Amino acid sequence: GENVEQHPSTLSVQEGDSAVIKCTYSDSASNYFPWYKQELGKGPQLIIDIRSNVGEKKDQRIAVTLNKTAKHFSLHITETQPEDSAVYFCAATPNNAGNMLTFGGGTRLMVKP
Amino acid sequence: DSGVTQTPKHLITATGQRVTLRCSPRSGDLSVYWYQQSLDQGLQFLIHYYNGEERAKGNILERFSAQQFPDLHSELNLSSLELGDSALYFCASSVRAGGLYEQYFGPGTRLTVT
Repeated sequence: GENVEQHPSTLSVQEGDSAVIKCTYSDSASNYFPWYKQELGKGPQLIIDIRSNVGEKKDQRIAVTLNKTAKHFSLHITETQPEDSAVYFCAATPNNAGNMLTFGGGTRLMVKP
Repeated sequence: DSGVTQTPKHLITATGQRVTLRCSPRSGDLSVYWYQQSLDQGLQFLIHYYNGEERAKGNILERFSAQQFPDLHSELNLSSLELGDSALYFCASSVRAGGLYEQYFGPGTRLTVT
C-alpha cells in the first residue's frame, strides 16, 4: 500500500516569512495529492490539492508543487500570518484505491508575530 | 464549515462498552469515509461507503463496523471498547467514489475510553 512521509514535523517561522513542507510517497500509481490544515479542536480542512497531470498549483499565498519522477510534493506558504499556525497534513491516493487517503504524519507550523 | 456533521462531539465511556458515532455527509455527496486520528498512529483510513455499499476497508478492527443508510448518513459502531480506542474519529464525504474527488471532513467525535 501507499506510504507517505512528511517533513518537518515542526516548523517555526517569523510572520511574513515563507514556509515549506515536504512529502514523499511510495506508490507510483498515486495521482491525487491534497493538503489539509487542522486547527486545534477542528477537523482537517482541505486547503489545496493537485492532480498528477499538473506540476504546480497556486491559490493566493498557497502553492503546491509535484514531482512525479521523484515522488515528492511540497506545500509553500508565502507571507505567513499568525492565523496560518496549525497542523498541516499531506495525503496521497491512487485512483484505483477508491479515493481513500493515506496521510503523512503532519507538520505543526507556528508563525510568530 | 465543511457541511459534514458529526455527533456527538465528545463521548466518554468505559472499557467493554459499545458506542455509535454518527455522520451526515454534505448535501449531494454519496461517499462517506471514516478515519481515526490518534497521537501514535496519526490519521488512518478505516472504511468507505458509497451510496449504501461498503467499498473499501482500511485498518479497521473486527470490533468496529459501519453502515450507510438510504438517506446517506453513516454510523460507525465501536464495540468491546479498549483504552487504546480512545481517539478522534472523523468522517469525510465526497461526491463519488474514486475519480479523485475532494474529501471534506467533519468536526470529529472525540472518544475517551476509561
